[in-house]
Amino acid sequence: EAEVAQSPRYKITEKSQAVAFWCDPISGHATLYWYRQILGQGPELLVQFQDESVVDDSQLPKDRFSAERLKGVDSTLKIQPAELGDSAMYLCASSLATTGELFFGEGSRLTVL
Amino acid sequence: GQNIDQPTEMTATEGAIVQINCTYQTSGFNGLFWYQQHAGEAPTFLSYNVLDGLEEKGRFSSFLSRSKGYSYLLLKELQMKDSASYLCAVRGSSNTGKLIFGQGTTLQVKP
Repeated sequence: EAEVAQSPRYKITEKSQAVAFWCDPISGHATLYWYRQILGQGPELLVQFQDESVVDDSQLPKDRFSAERLKGVDSTLKIQPAELGDSAMYLCASSLATTGELFFGEGSRLTVL
Repeated sequence: GQNIDQPTEMTATEGAIVQINCTYQTSGFNGLFWYQQHAGEAPTFLSYNVLDGLEEKGRFSSFLSRSKGYSYLLLKELQMKDSASYLCAVRGSSNTGKLIFGQGTTLQVKP
């Protein structure tokens, strides 16, 4: 069964350091999403791609977060510098179309010390 | 603004039936999803409603009333493995198909 792949699964870093997360969506899925989920809360959309284009990054803290999907396939989410409040689960999801069901990866759990 | 409300926690007994409610206020409506999320794991899709009424899938059913901005997820014959967080998510009228999640309802199933 096709899956959304994410790495690393866990990341511990110190504040002010840079971190990066990688996501490989299900093959053929044009839409890719990065969500942040703080413990005890629901996922919050950070950025949404349609192929290689950003279609929604209204909730992305652009002073420290960046995301790219250069070839419209896999994607990288970067945080520089990391802050204590960035500790969360970073979930990548993909869908066949913007109207479709989202398939989530296992997530990357970030702890900032 | 956009708002999705769910109870924070619920407790139920193994073998029983539980109903998890979700109310929403969004800019337009293009469907409502329910996801299940076990602790430390990714959300997995349970159900999708876009028209009013009940959708049944095995032990799980989901109901939608668009006029009331209301949905519920019904879990029958509860099993211990159903202990998880249940997320209600709504797709508004944005042309990006943005999915907005509620905070989730943590369900604890007791023997």
